[in-house]
Amino acid sequence: GIQVEQSPPDLILQEGANSTLRCNFSDSVNNLQWFHQNPWGQLINLFYIPSGTKQNGRLSATTVATERYSLLYISSSQTTDSGVYFCAVDSGAGSYQLTFGKGTKLSVIP
Amino acid sequence: EAGVVQSPRYKIIEKKQPVAFWCNPISGHNTLYWYLQNLGQGPELLIRYENEEAVDDSQLPKDRFSAERLKGVDSTLKIQPAELGDSAVYLCASSLAGTTLDNEQFFGPGTRLTVL
Repeated sequence: GIQVEQSPPDLILQEGANSTLRCNFSDSVNNLQWFHQNPWGQLINLFYIPSGTKQNGRLSATTVATERYSLLYISSSQTTDSGVYFCAVDSGAGSYQLTFGKGTKLSVIP
Repeated sequence: EAGVVQSPRYKIIEKKQPVAFWCNPISGHNTLYWYLQNLGQGPELLIRYENEEAVDDSQLPKDRFSAERLKGVDSTLKIQPAELGDSAVYLCASSLAGTTLDNEQFFGPGTRLTVL
């Protein structure tokens, strides 16, 4: 099946700093989603981005489908950004299941 | 608009006991998914429903796990009997349809199961 690798596995930032999270995947995809899992375990949808670039406030994402990677940018980080960021892909072929990476654990310190 | 609703949020049981989890998807979403999330890992699919039909249950351990989605709306996931290794978070998700164009998935808060 499709492989999803996220980097870095852990990231510690000072409040106000910027960061880039990366997601590499091993095959072409029909669906790519970025999630933020907050400390209470809720998976929050950030972006649905199988290709192209999207922005939502301080967050933006870019997926280069032909090169099989996606990037999540966080600018001016806040303590509330802490948690685990997951990239998940659906390779189609009738499956429609999301295959998740292992996540990037982000800690934003004041 | 209400999101995906799950209950209970937490459940503690002794091994060999049965347990059931309930999920109500977002209104109008035809596709429903159950995922299992172990500590420190991403969620993994257990079963996918299109309306009331289970169309992908290849990763559901059928010796002890069962699921149903009567009337194509709410769904229940059951474990009988539970084992220590079943301790995890059980997540329900839904999407408009299980097609390429309508497959953005939205997750509920999960049920955290502890088996003693």
